[in-house]
Amino acid sequence: GAVVSQHPSWVICKSGTSVKIECRSLDFQATTMFWYRQFPKQSLMLMATSNEGSKATYEQGVEKDKFLINHASLTLSTLTVTSAHPEDSSFYICSASSGAEGLLSSYEQYFGPGTRLTVT
Amino acid sequence: LAKTTQPISMDSYEGQEVNITCSHNNIATNDYITWYQQFPSQGPRFIIQGYKTKVTNEVASLFIPADRKSSTLSLPRVSLSDTAVYYCLVGRRRRNTPLVFGKGTRLSVIA
Repeated sequence: GAVVSQHPSWVICKSGTSVKIECRSLDFQATTMFWYRQFPKQSLMLMATSNEGSKATYEQGVEKDKFLINHASLTLSTLTVTSAHPEDSSFYICSASSGAEGLLSSYEQYFGPGTRLTVT
Repeated sequence: LAKTTQPISMDSYEGQEVNITCSHNNIATNDYITWYQQFPSQGPRFIIQGYKTKVTNEVASLFIPADRKSSTLSLPRVSLSDTAVYYCLVGRRRRNTPLVFGKGTRLSVIA
């Protein structure tokens, strides 16, 4: 099956610094990727939709200048948390979807393993 | 997007069959029903998807009544490793459309 990886799997940073999280589709091309955030004991919350070669679409309430998304290629999307603060500490998960028919069976999005961000 | 309602939590003993029901009263004609499983500190994993009647794969069965206003995920003979959160999602099969997660059902399997 299709595999999505994330790097790093966990990161600790100091308040005020920026952190970049990578999301890669390893064996398929992903025209669209999605970024989610999940706080402890809560469900996944969609942050933004990342389209290759175009600007990301952010959900209401998500600051686009704070969470920078770059989908530079069909296999890589990055999320940069700028000027991180302790309240940004969370579990960040990406998922990937291919625009090509036949690569995905029964319409499933493939999720990365997640990145645990802790801001001190 | 159709709103879904699931029990917040369920407990089960090992070896038992577990049925998790999801209510989706305003499901649309073109909507499919999909279930995901999530372990702590991991991304969700696709379990099963269906449109009507019954779907079965190697890990679960999905029962959907004729009116499609609800669905039941059936996990046969659960083990401790099935302890996870299970999410029911309803929506169209569009590859470039994000998934919207509800609160999910936290299943705890007890020895």
